Amino acid sequence: GAVVSQHPSWVICKSGTSVKIECRSLDFQATTMFWYRQFPKQSLMLMATSNEGSKATYEQGVEKDKFLINHASLTLSTLTVTSAHPEDSSFYICSARDLALANTGELFFGEGSRLTVL
Amino acid sequence: AQKVTQAQTEISVVEKEDVTLDCVYETRDTTYYLFWYKQPPSGELVFLIRRNSFDEQNEISGRYSWNFQKSTSSFNFTITASQVVDSAVYFCALSGGGSNYKLTFGKGTLLTVNP
Repeated sequence: GAVVSQHPSWVICKSGTSVKIECRSLDFQATTMFWYRQFPKQSLMLMATSNEGSKATYEQGVEKDKFLINHASLTLSTLTVTSAHPEDSSFYICSARDLALANTGELFFGEGSRLTVL
Repeated sequence: AQKVTQAQTEISVVEKEDVTLDCVYETRDTTYYLFWYKQPPSGELVFLIRRNSFDEQNEISGRYSWNFQKSTSSFNFTITASQVVDSAVYFCALSGGGSNYKLTFGKGTLLTVNP
């Protein structure tokens, strides 16, 4: 099956710094990628939809200036958590839709990135 | 709006017992997709099944089986002869058809299988 890779798998940073998480589709083209956030013992909540070559669409309540999303190519989307604070500590997971499998509903998930802000 | 309800927050069983995880969904779309994912303690999501709204056939894959009933908007998941390795959080999820592939997840059910 298709592979989506996230990097880094885990990151620890100091409060006030920015952290970038990459989501790559390794063997397919993804015009659309999705970013989810999961707090401990909770479900996955969609943060934003990332569209290649255009601005991301953010879900209600998600600060677009704090969570910067860039989808510059068909295989890479990045999420930057700017001026991170301890409350941003979470598990961030991306998923991607294969352009060739449009209309099948199939999505592929990355392994997730665990962010801890001290 | 889409909604997925997993009423069972936690389930604990003894190995070899059968267990059913419930999932009820709400959507106004006529075309939609239902999913089940397993999330072990390591965190990654393991895809188990995808079912589209036009396919109501039940499915069996080894010890796993799924019962999709549109009449009750349910997509239940049964593990037969559970094993300790089945211990994980299981999420049911729903996405719309067309160009809307945003997944709405249920809150998840933590399954603990004890030896």
